[in-house]
Amino acid sequence: AQKITQTQPGMFVQEKEAVTLDCTYDTSDPSYGLFWYKQPSSGEMIFLIYQGSYDQQNATEGRYSLNFQKARKSANLVISASQLGDSAMYFCAMRDSNYQLIWGAGTKLIIKP
Amino acid sequence: ETGVTQTPRHLVMGMTNKKSLKCEQHLGHNAMYWYKQSAKKPLELMFVYSLEERVENNSVPSRFSPECPNSSHLFLHLHTLQPEDSALYLCASSQDGARGRAFFGQGTRLTVV
Repeated sequence: AQKITQTQPGMFVQEKEAVTLDCTYDTSDPSYGLFWYKQPSSGEMIFLIYQGSYDQQNATEGRYSLNFQKARKSANLVISASQLGDSAMYFCAMRDSNYQLIWGAGTKLIIKP
Repeated sequence: ETGVTQTPRHLVMGMTNKKSLKCEQHLGHNAMYWYKQSAKKPLELMFVYSLEERVENNSVPSRFSPECPNSSHLFLHLHTLQPEDSALYLCASSQDGARGRAFFGQGTRLTVV
């Protein structure tokens, strides 16, 4: 069965430090896409970064990078130089062969000043 | 502004009321989704419409009734809801395909009293 696992319900990080949010996935499809979304307390889901299963290089978007380890089936999100505004829920998701998104339970990230 | 607009942002309704949630996208996407997000639970996919045809209905109670009159609009009709239906309801749209990321609305925070 297709599944996304985020093992960190919550994380506390000092401002300006880098933070890694874990995500592992399970699928037998050779073609899939992995996404990270940020959800602040306002509720809106904000797209952060995408990694395709056939992409050779790890995706990067500004301060966000995705540490994609295909053999381990992991797609960890790395946020460099964290900011107070990074405090939010972070969700990892996978798009399967039916093009539907499968979601992890999320990680609540709190950045401390 | 993500291109997906949900109204209302907040809704309080009694258990005997009938109300509707509205979602609108002008991104030219061909798939639209309703998600339910309860406290401390993963995102739950409720309904998927692809090309205005419902392709997924994840065992959602009949007191939730979706409607997709055209590719830009999606409704969720609510009647005789229960207090446990109180949650954040998120609408999303995407272009079908593995790389098609979902764009989310800001959500409707529903409270059933």
